[in-house]
Amino acid sequence: EAGVAQSPRYKIIEKRQSVAFWCNPISGHATLYWYQQILGQGPKLLIQFQNNGVVDDSQLPKDRFSAERLKGVDSTLKIQPAKLEDSAVYLCASSRLGPGQSEQYFGPGTRLTVT
Amino acid sequence: RKEVEQDPGPFNVPEGATVAFNCTYSNSASQSFFWYRQDCRKEPKLLMSVYSSGNEDGRFTAQLNRASQYISLLIRDSKLSDSATYLCVVLRSNDYKLSFGAGTTVTVRA
Repeated sequence: EAGVAQSPRYKIIEKRQSVAFWCNPISGHATLYWYQQILGQGPKLLIQFQNNGVVDDSQLPKDRFSAERLKGVDSTLKIQPAKLEDSAVYLCASSRLGPGQSEQYFGPGTRLTVT
Repeated sequence: RKEVEQDPGPFNVPEGATVAFNCTYSNSASQSFFWYRQDCRKEPKLLMSVYSSGNEDGRFTAQLNRASQYISLLIRDSKLSDSATYLCVVLRSNDYKLSFGAGTTVTVRA
C-alpha cells in the first residue's frame, strides 16, 4: 500500500513570498490532516478535512494560510505571505476514519525555511 | 498550562536497560491515548494505543492512570534502534481533537 505522499520535500523562500504544499493521502482515506511542527515541538493541527469538507480549522492562521481538498482526495496548503515564524515542517496525515477511530499515517513532510 | 505535557529528556540509557517516562494531560474529558514514535527528521508513526487496563506490545508497556491524568511508556531491554522521540497523543471526547505532546527523547547507547 502506497503511503502519504507530499511535495516538495524542502523549500526555502524569503519572507513575504508565497508557497504551496501538496499532499496525496492513502487511497480510500476519508480524513486528511495538515500539521505544523516547529523544531522541538509536537505537531500542531492546522486543518482537518473529512472527504472534501473542513471539519476543524480553528488553529489555521486564516489571514495567511489556506487549504483545500478538491474532490476529496489531494490537498494543497498555501501560505501567503510567509513570515519567519512559519519556518517548520508541514506534515500531512490521513486516516480511514476520524480522529482516534483509526490510525493516522503521516507523510514525510515538507521542511520550510523562511529567510 | 499545555494540554499535553512531557518530560523532554533526553533519557540516555545503555543497551538492555529499562526506561520509563510519563505524559500528563490536562483535559479530564480526554478519552483515547496513543504513543507515537518519531525518528530524527522523519514523520511520526503510531507505536501503540493505550488502553484503560494497560497494554503490552513486545518490549513496550503502556499504562493509563485516569485519576492522576497521566499515561506512561516503559521500554524493556532497550535496543539501539529504540533511540527516537516518543510523542504522547491525547484525543478529547467532547470535540474529537487530537493534541500532541512535544515529545520525550530517548537515546540508547552501546
